[in-house]
Amino acid sequence: QSVLTQPPSVSGAPGQRVTISCTESSSNIGAAYDVHWYQQLPGTAPKVLIYGNTNRPSGVPDRFSGSKSGTSASLAITGLQAEDEADYYCQSYDSSLSGYVFGTGTKVTVL
Amino acid sequence: EVQLVESGGGLVQPGGSLKLSCAASGFTVSGSAIHWVRQPSGKGLEWVGRIRSKANNYATGYAASVTGRFTISRDDSKNTAYLQMNSLKTEDTAVYYCTRPSHDSSVSTFDYWGQGTLVTVSS
Repeated sequence: QSVLTQPPSVSGAPGQRVTISCTESSSNIGAAYDVHWYQQLPGTAPKVLIYGNTNRPSGVPDRFSGSKSGTSASLAITGLQAEDEADYYCQSYDSSLSGYVFGTGTKVTVL
Repeated sequence: EVQLVESGGGLVQPGGSLKLSCAASGFTVSGSAIHWVRQPSGKGLEWVGRIRSKANNYATGYAASVTGRFTISRDDSKNTAYLQMNSLKTEDTAVYYCTRPSHDSSVSTFDYWGQGTLVTVSS
């Protein structure tokens, strides 16, 4: 079964840059499927932050950016702000399961 | 405006059943896939399953952890999708969200989410 592994937590001071990795444990996702990123603020449903590896929906600040290479993806937050304190999840599709998978989640703390 | 409203959550004993509803507005469920995603308290997101659009014959798919116990269905006349949960286990305790993807394919994102409904499995 595919697993998307993320660091449990990352932190940074306001204005700093932080990155969150998303690494898949099998070859079922690889380069064939897009990775998406969600932000979940406390007590709310997740919201799409990045889709198709690198694209931002309208309304998402450009300090959020995504990248993907092979079986790993990353989310970068530049110019960290207090309102960015949230949980972040990557998500993709697993062909062997014919289903969707979420990353293990990363809590971002603004110091 | 697209809206999804879940209902039907509550407390149920292990081995019991519960049926969740996902009432949609602002779009027709027949033209869209509907997915269910759950989140145990303080933990991460887990995809539960989906029902595809009418154009894709309402095909269903499930996570391994719920296959054979959970069933997703829909009633287009009520613009509502359902999650029937049988043989519930304590590990099924979670907030359950219904979501509408950007499109009915493997590359879709989960664009719209309901507010979630809490299911607690406990004796």
